[in-house]
Amino acid sequence: AQSVTQLGSHVSVSEGALVLLRCNYSSSVPPYLFWYVQYPNQGLQLLLKYTSAATLVKGINGFEAEFKKSETSFHLTKPSAHMSDAAEYFCAVSDLKDSSYKLIFGSGTRLLVRP
Amino acid sequence: EAGVTQFPSHSVIEKGQTVTLRCDPISGHDNLYWYRRVMGKEIKFLLHFVKESKQDESGMPNNRFLAERTGGTYSTLKVQPAELEDSGVYFCASSQDRAPRSHEQFFGPGTRLTVL
Repeated sequence: AQSVTQLGSHVSVSEGALVLLRCNYSSSVPPYLFWYVQYPNQGLQLLLKYTSAATLVKGINGFEAEFKKSETSFHLTKPSAHMSDAAEYFCAVSDLKDSSYKLIFGSGTRLLVRP
Repeated sequence: EAGVTQFPSHSVIEKGQTVTLRCDPISGHDNLYWYRRVMGKEIKFLLHFVKESKQDESGMPNNRFLAERTGGTYSTLKVQPAELEDSGVYFCASSQDRAPRSHEQFFGPGTRLTVL
C-alpha cells in the first residue's frame, strides 16, 4: 500500500530564510507525487507535481521539489521565504495502477514565517 | 471560470441528525472526488465518480455515508445519522482528464462539519 510521511507538523522559518518541507513516500510502483498548499479559508492548490519526467520539478511561487528514488523522498524547497508563504502544505502520492488516480496525502506541515 | 464550490462552508449538527453536503465541480469535469480530513490527521479519500457512476468507493467509512451524483453534474454526500467521529473537513475535487501526465485535481474550499 502506498503511504506518505511528512516530517514535522509545524516548521518555522524567518522571512528570507530557506524553506525545506520534508516528504517521504512508500510505493511499490513508480509514483506520481504532488505538493499542495492550503491558505486559510481556501481549498487546496497544486504547487507542483512529479510525473516521471525531470526529477527536479519547479512549481508556482518559487517552490521546487526534487524526486530522489534512492531516498524515496520528494522534499519541497524555496530559497527565500515570504510572509505570504505561511500556509499548510500537503505532500501526496498517486498510484498509476489505480484507475481512479486518487490521492494519498501526508498529514500536512504548517509553515510559519517570522518577520 | 468558476472553481469547485462546496456548500455549506460550515455545518454544526447534533449526534443522530442528518446532514447533506453539496459539491459543484468545475464545468465539464467528469471526475469528482470526495475527501475528508479529521482534525489533526491526514486528508483521506472517500470516493470517486466518473460522471454519474461510482468508480471507487473504497474509502467510504460505513453505510451511514451516501454519495450521489445525479446527471453527472453536482454531487451530494449525506451522513445519516451523524456520529461524533464524523466531524472534520470534507473536501471535494474535480478533474477533467485521468490521463496520468495531465491529471490534476482541483479542490474546493471544503465543508467543516461539527457533530456535537
